[in-house]
Amino acid sequence: GAVVSQHPSWVICKSGTSVKIECRSLDFQATTMFWYRQFPKQSLMLMATSNEGSKATYEQGVEKDKFLINHASLTLSTLTVTSAHPEDSSFYICSALMGLAGESEQYFGPGTRLTVT
Amino acid sequence: GNSVTQMEGPVTLSEEAFLTINCTYTATGYPSLFWYVQYPGEGLQLLLKATKADDKGSNKGFEATYRKETTSFHLEKGSVQVSDSAVYFCALSDPPVGGGFKTIFGAGTRLFVKA
Repeated sequence: GAVVSQHPSWVICKSGTSVKIECRSLDFQATTMFWYRQFPKQSLMLMATSNEGSKATYEQGVEKDKFLINHASLTLSTLTVTSAHPEDSSFYICSALMGLAGESEQYFGPGTRLTVT
Repeated sequence: GNSVTQMEGPVTLSEEAFLTINCTYTATGYPSLFWYVQYPGEGLQLLLKATKADDKGSNKGFEATYRKETTSFHLEKGSVQVSDSAVYFCALSDPPVGGGFKTIFGAGTRLFVKA
């Protein structure tokens, strides 16, 4: 099946620094990618929808200036956590949408664990 | 708004036992329903799906039937294996107003299968 990769798989950073997470669709083109956040023992929460060549659509309550999303190509979306704080520590998961409306399917990356000290 | 509720885990079973993981949903439209599985150290994988009422999704011995009257999509397997140990997520996709694609996930249920 289709493969989505994330890099890095885990990262530790100091409070106040910025961290970039990459999401790549390896064998298909994705005009739409999604970024989720998962807290321990909790559900995936959609942060934003990333559309190639346009601005991301953020969910209510997600700070767009803190979580910068760039979808510069059909195979790459990046999430940058700016001025990270310990409360940003979480598991971030991306997914890429393959196919046309009505027949599309999401493929998920393995996730990136961010720890802010 | 739309939501998904699934039974809390962890669920611990012996090999060859029968599995049921309950999932109920609320939705304003006519959603598609999914079960995803996350094996340790891996990303989410689509296990099965159903797109309309009374549809049955099945894969790898797992089944789930879309029940509109009870707004449920319970996951079942007749005989689990140790390799089925994973976290299972129930989810729905209901196109938001204005188009697009949006998936809402349940909290996940961790399954442990003992040999």
